[in-house]
Amino acid sequence: GAVVSQHPSRVICKSGTSVKIECRSLDFQATTMFWYRQFPKKSLMLMATSNEGSKATYEQGVEKDKFLINHASLTLSTLTVTSAHPEDSSFYICSALRQGETQYFGPGTRLLVL
Amino acid sequence: ILNVEQSPQSLHVQEGDSTNFTCSFPSSNFYALHWYRWETAKSPEALFVMTLNGDEKKKGRISATLNTKEGYSYLYIKGSQPEDSATYLCASLPSGGYNKLIFGAGTRLAVHP
Repeated sequence: GAVVSQHPSRVICKSGTSVKIECRSLDFQATTMFWYRQFPKKSLMLMATSNEGSKATYEQGVEKDKFLINHASLTLSTLTVTSAHPEDSSFYICSALRQGETQYFGPGTRLLVL
Repeated sequence: ILNVEQSPQSLHVQEGDSTNFTCSFPSSNFYALHWYRWETAKSPEALFVMTLNGDEKKKGRISATLNTKEGYSYLYIKGSQPEDSATYLCASLPSGGYNKLIFGAGTRLAVHP
């Protein structure tokens, strides 16, 4: 299978600061990546679709100014949680679409905002 | 069914037992059904992608079936081993869905030696 890395695996930050999470496809190029959020015992909820070279597409109810997505290359997408607050504490996970196959996932990032 | 639902939520079995669990999904506008295996602290691992009604796929001791008319898929594990302990996720991909998967909450399987 394909390999997707995600960094950092966990981060603790103070309220009001910004946090950047990186998602990399290591052995294939991905024009499309996805960012999900998961609350305890809940489904993975799609936040946005990250498109290389163009603006991300956000799902309804997801604040684009709060969750900035940049997909500057075919192997890297970043999610920046701006001015983080305790309610942003969650598990964030990315995936990269390998055309003709499926989405390959990173291991996720656990964010705790104090 | 509007959402993807998985049952049971969790399952405990003994080593050597065979087990199965269910994924229910909207049957209208269906394109594909994905199964993933997610071990703690690791990336979800793609198991199967199924598209045709009546599809059956197998990977080692794990197999899956698909009924697109009634909107369900079963995942079977034969002779469970402790290393099968994981959360099993299914996700529906609607047609015209721009590759957006709709996930169930998963079934957490614990296999006890």
